[in-house]
Amino acid sequence: QVKLMESGGGLAKPGGSLRLSCEGSGFTFSDAHMSWIRQAPGKGLEWISYLSATGMYVSYVDSVRGRFIISRDNAKRSIFLQMHDLRGEDTATYYCARGKNWFDKWGPGTLVTVSS
Amino acid sequence: QSALTQPPSVSAAPGQKVTMSCSGSSSNVGHFLVSWYQQFPGTAPKLLIYDDKKRPSGIPDRFSGSKSGTSATLDIAGLQTGDEADYYCAAWDSSLSLTIFGGGTKLTVL
Repeated sequence: QVKLMESGGGLAKPGGSLRLSCEGSGFTFSDAHMSWIRQAPGKGLEWISYLSATGMYVSYVDSVRGRFIISRDNAKRSIFLQMHDLRGEDTATYYCARGKNWFDKWGPGTLVTVSS
Repeated sequence: QSALTQPPSVSAAPGQKVTMSCSGSSSNVGHFLVSWYQQFPGTAPKLLIYDDKKRPSGIPDRFSGSKSGTSATLDIAGLQTGDEADYYCAAWDSSLSLTIFGGGTKLTVL
């Protein structure tokens, strides 16, 4: 059974940092392209970052480029999202999802709240 | 403002068929494959359709996708009250170099 589980969300101050993790199980993690997608409260979905299976290819939406870093550790079956210089508009539920152009498995999400 | 345009809401009666649209451009829907997701409040999205019209294992054939030009469509036949949810389309956008989502359509089953 394929599962993804995010962790690391919480409350951060503007300008602060958080590191999100997502652990996968039930599939060959090292073969999977992975993405982070977020959803602000009451809003729609926004893809924010992608990391290829090998880790060689990464991409970011403009609003997070230079502040967020996506990485993975295949031995730990995990991907990470290091978030710096957090802003109020980063407040959202963050989902990790398997895939690049379409996403067949999603984690339950972790809530990030940026507030002073 | 989403690069893919979806109507904010649609409604239909149980047992009826509903059609949801997803309008884009030549840089996304017109040249790249579309996927659709179902999301219930407080839960993660679930893949319903990928590659314009393919259904993942376990998705009933009541759900069907199609595309013509720069518009994609999700049809849900035999509506059930349990289909009430938000539905999102998505596609790769070559001008933005990222996957974009529509703003979502809220389905109400009257």
